[in-house]
Amino acid sequence: GNSVTQMEGPVTLSEEAFLTINCTYTATGYPSLFWYVQYPGEGLQLLLKATKADDKGSNKGFEATYRKETTSFHLEKGSVQVSDSAVYFCALSDAGANSKLTFGKGITLSVRP
Amino acid sequence: DVKVTQSSRYLVKRTGEKVFLECVQDMDHENMFWYRQDPGLGLRLIYFSYDVKMKEKGDIPEGYSVSREKKERFSLILESASTNQTSMYLCASSLHGRGTEAFFGQGTRLTVV
Repeated sequence: GNSVTQMEGPVTLSEEAFLTINCTYTATGYPSLFWYVQYPGEGLQLLLKATKADDKGSNKGFEATYRKETTSFHLEKGSVQVSDSAVYFCALSDAGANSKLTFGKGITLSVRP
Repeated sequence: DVKVTQSSRYLVKRTGEKVFLECVQDMDHENMFWYRQDPGLGLRLIYFSYDVKMKEKGDIPEGYSVSREKKERFSLILESASTNQTSMYLCASSLHGRGTEAFFGQGTRLTVV
């Protein structure tokens, strides 16, 4: 079956530091890949996505590139802010029409001033 | 504004009770999902539905059932609640199709005592 593996957390960074959160996947066919974010006390929301190899998703200064050769979708941001403190989930959906979403375990990011 | 509404934010039930968690979406989405979120385990799919009256088991369906009689409503049923079902339950919905975004409710924190 499909699976998503995220790096172990939590991660604590100082403001303006560079962020990388690793994500690799196992899936048949050509899945779509997502990063979702959960801010404290809120529900999950989509941060960015990519639907085919070499696509780059970007939003709010975050980026991730769909790498089929390494089955990876690492999240990066050049300069984090305190407001980026949240839980980040990598996810994939099936190539089929029913779009069943499979999530990784999530990683907590804390950014200190 | 798109909306997925879960009927309760917090719920306390006794062991052995039958528990209903309700989810309503107003976006005319075909797909609806129930996940549970536990620390260190991320989001795990319990059941999903890709159309009215259609359902598929997710990764952890044991002890749960679902009902989808109308397109906008997806109910999760705990037939006989147990303490190991204490968790945060998240409902989501999405359109059919490749790479579509899932929209999440705020979650229901269920405690079984």
